Amino acid sequence: DTEVTQTPKHLVMGMTNKKSLKCEQHMGHRAMYWYKQKAKKPPELMFVYSYEKLSINESVPSRFSPECPNSSLLNLHLHALQPEDSALYLCASSPSANYGYTFGSGTRLTVV
Amino acid sequence: DQQVKQNSPSLSVQEGRISILNCDYTNSMFDYFLWYKKYPAEGPTFLISISSIKDKNEDGRFTVFLNKSAKHLSLHIVPSQPGDSAVYFCAASAFKAAGNKLTFGGGTRVLVKP
Repeated sequence: DTEVTQTPKHLVMGMTNKKSLKCEQHMGHRAMYWYKQKAKKPPELMFVYSYEKLSINESVPSRFSPECPNSSLLNLHLHALQPEDSALYLCASSPSANYGYTFGSGTRLTVV
Repeated sequence: DQQVKQNSPSLSVQEGRISILNCDYTNSMFDYFLWYKKYPAEGPTFLISISSIKDKNEDGRFTVFLNKSAKHLSLHIVPSQPGDSAVYFCAASAFKAAGNKLTFGGGTRVLVKP
């Protein structure tokens, strides 16, 4: 298995909803990431988990809450989002430093 | 402050010819560079990478060149094929034990015409 699987592929949520994005990999990678990509912009890092511990938080608002239940799973909990949070949310994993990430296909999030 | 820049937002090339994509960076701590290809509504796909100890890496039709003194790298695709039409992102990272931040350039949209 050489993939990063993200669910759901599409999500529409209201500003008062609570939802979660899920990411799974079975490649034994010990670093996992959340990126956000707006249209016609490059991906921007949100969070890095290294060995299941949060190692980087790029000053992301608290309405985004990451969770790493085990070495294969990464969640992003969403609460009270704003319309400007609508974007493609990408999960990625890597085995160690200086290896190319493997990205998932993303969750297209629309906040209404 | 954009640490990784791709100054050409788009590139159009004839099928069979060479595509050359350029990328410049400012952070001298970057020691690993990657190129990703992205189709709409999909995640980026890793293409090729290069460590700062090398100046060239080749994989099939893709070759990446690194000029450390100029803080410049380029991706050559030859021959270009219609399926290569996509957005290409240059990315850079600095070594850490685990869990690297990738800094992406703004992307170059490549159109390969049959």
